[in-house]
Amino acid sequence: DVKVTQSSRYLVKRTGEKVFLECVQDMDHENMFWYRQDPGLGLRLIYFSYDVKMKEKGDIPEGYSVSREKKERFSLILESASTNQTSMYLCASSLSIPSGYGYTFGSGTRLTVV
Amino acid sequence: QKEVEQNSGPLSVPEGAIASLNCTYSDRVSQSFFWYRQYSGKSPELIMSIYSNGDKEDGRFTAQLNKASQYVSLLIRDSQPSDSATYLCAVVGDYKLSFGAGTTVTVRA
Repeated sequence: DVKVTQSSRYLVKRTGEKVFLECVQDMDHENMFWYRQDPGLGLRLIYFSYDVKMKEKGDIPEGYSVSREKKERFSLILESASTNQTSMYLCASSLSIPSGYGYTFGSGTRLTVV
Repeated sequence: QKEVEQNSGPLSVPEGAIASLNCTYSDRVSQSFFWYRQYSGKSPELIMSIYSNGDKEDGRFTAQLNKASQYVSLLIRDSQPSDSATYLCAVVGDYKLSFGAGTTVTVRA
């Protein structure tokens, strides 16, 4: 089975800090995605990447950046954390899009910004 | 208009009943459709995929697709308390999945 690993399950950071969320997949998937999930708002796409060093903005990229230097690793960066970025962050990967494969999600990182 | 819309919940069903979840989508060229289950505090897990019109059955789950009506549904037969979760509909489009907001199902004993 594909495994998508997110480095932290819970994080607490202070306002203004630079925050790194790491995601690693072990099945040579081309596509990787970062979502945030908030009650009542569902899953919202922040950024995605379909190849090394490639990135595309999703629906809510403001305040975030990403890095994909290696195929298996996709990092989400909060440049200057704010309280409205408190959320559950989910990383996902997929063999190819469009495809019939769907996504495999990591276990999520619950980030609290104080 | 949202790309993927699901019937509003929460949906409460008695144990052993059928839970019916509905989803409509706006992109006519979409070809792949998925249902994810998400337990509270956990990440979504893929439970069903469907690509052709008609029904697809997997155990107690049946996915139904009607591309002409841009409609996909999920039936959970013989609902169990362990089926209590939020179910997310997802549709492939434009190199990514678009997700519905989810329908929360509670199976009461």
